[in-house]
Amino acid sequence: EIVLTQSPPTLSLSPGERATLSCRASQSVSNYLAWYQQKPGQAPRLLIYDASNRATDIPARFSGSGSGTEFTLTISSLAPEDFAVYYCQQRSDWPLTFGGGTKVEIK
Amino acid sequence: EVRLVESGGRLVKPGGSLRLSCAASGFSFSSYSMNWVRQAPGKGLEWVSYISSSSSYIHYGDSVRGRFTISRDNDKNSLNLQMNSLRVEDTGVYYCATPGPDNWNDLGYWGQGTLVTVSS
Repeated sequence: EIVLTQSPPTLSLSPGERATLSCRASQSVSNYLAWYQQKPGQAPRLLIYDASNRATDIPARFSGSGSGTEFTLTISSLAPEDFAVYYCQQRSDWPLTFGGGTKVEIK
Repeated sequence: EVRLVESGGRLVKPGGSLRLSCAASGFSFSSYSMNWVRQAPGKGLEWVSYISSSSSYIHYGDSVRGRFTISRDNDKNSLNLQMNSLRVEDTGVYYCATPGPDNWNDLGYWGQGTLVTVSS
């Protein structure tokens, strides 16, 4: 199965700062990578699909980049509601797999 | 408005069985694939199973293959997960999820989840 490794596990930042989250795949997933945000007690929410496309109603401060095995989710200026856990997920091959998550916490 | 409502989660003993359901509304259910994704307490997301719109294609994660069975009833707009030979490590919140609205592949809609606890 394709293993997704997210780094760092935790990112401590202040509101207004830039967040850069990484996702590395054990083999190429082309651009078949998505990013999700999850807040405590809530279901995940799709942010980015196909590596770089923002999902409906997702603010422009969220952007995704990368292809093959290296991917990045960038939040250009952290809003208070952005502090959450972020997961990458590949759909290049079965089984679908998620990364272990990056928690973005308030510094 | 797309709505996915899971039900059926409860406390069950190891080795037992459970059937989860997901009631769908607000979209053309029969046109969309469906998935189950779970999350153990305090842990990350784990994809469990996939079923295509017409049930022609089904996939399972390695940890549940041979024990869980996914099915759907397009006439009743419902998705099911039959869980047999349950283990302590199957404990968690189970979400149903479907693609949309941006593409046919990524999980744009999720239910609120149902909690399964496997414990003696």
